[in-house]
Amino acid sequence: DIVMTQTPLSSPVTLGQPASISCKSSQSLVHSDGITYLSWFQQRPGQPPRLLIYKISNRFSGVPDRFSGSGAGTDFTLKISRVEAEDVGVYYCMQSTQFPWTFGQGTKVEIK
Amino acid sequence: QVQLVESGGGLVTPGGSLRLSCAASGFTFSGSYMTWIRQAPGKGPEWLSYISSSGSTIYYADSLRGRFTISRDNAKNSLYLLMDNLRAEDTAVYYCARERWQELESWGQGTLVTVSS
Repeated sequence: DIVMTQTPLSSPVTLGQPASISCKSSQSLVHSDGITYLSWFQQRPGQPPRLLIYKISNRFSGVPDRFSGSGAGTDFTLKISRVEAEDVGVYYCMQSTQFPWTFGQGTKVEIK
Repeated sequence: QVQLVESGGGLVTPGGSLRLSCAASGFTFSGSYMTWIRQAPGKGPEWLSYISSSGSTIYYADSLRGRFTISRDNAKNSLYLLMDNLRAEDTAVYYCARERWQELESWGQGTLVTVSS
């Protein structure tokens, strides 16, 4: 199975300041079709995960442009350009290149 | 809009069985691939199973060891997860999700399964 490792596990951020989360996979996420299936989810307290970013850097419908994704191969990053109060929650990366699909352990974003 | 509503969760004793259901609306269910994911208390999500639109292709997480069975009824716009020989470690919120182009685009609110004596 592909292991997804996120850092940091906790990220206290000042409102209006940027935040960055790293996600590393144990093997390349480039599929045989040439696409890298790496996505990011946000989970607010008491809610199901919500898709933010798919295929490394594509924002899902309705996701604010302060969220961006980047990376390639085995190293990926989610950035929030200016953290807002509604961004508090846990963020997960997930690979869907190879079954079983696997998630990172999560990064908790909280306001300082 | 896309709506997924899970049901069937509850309290079950170890070794027991449960069948979860997921009612879908707002999209063409018969043309959609679907998945089950669970999340144990305080833990991250765990992908469990995937079924193609026709039901002809199915994948499971190895950790389930044949205890869970995914199925669907396209005439009823419903997805199912039959869980047998339940263990304490199966305690979790179980979500169904719609998959499009290998992305988990839409999730239900989940149903809680508690395995305890």
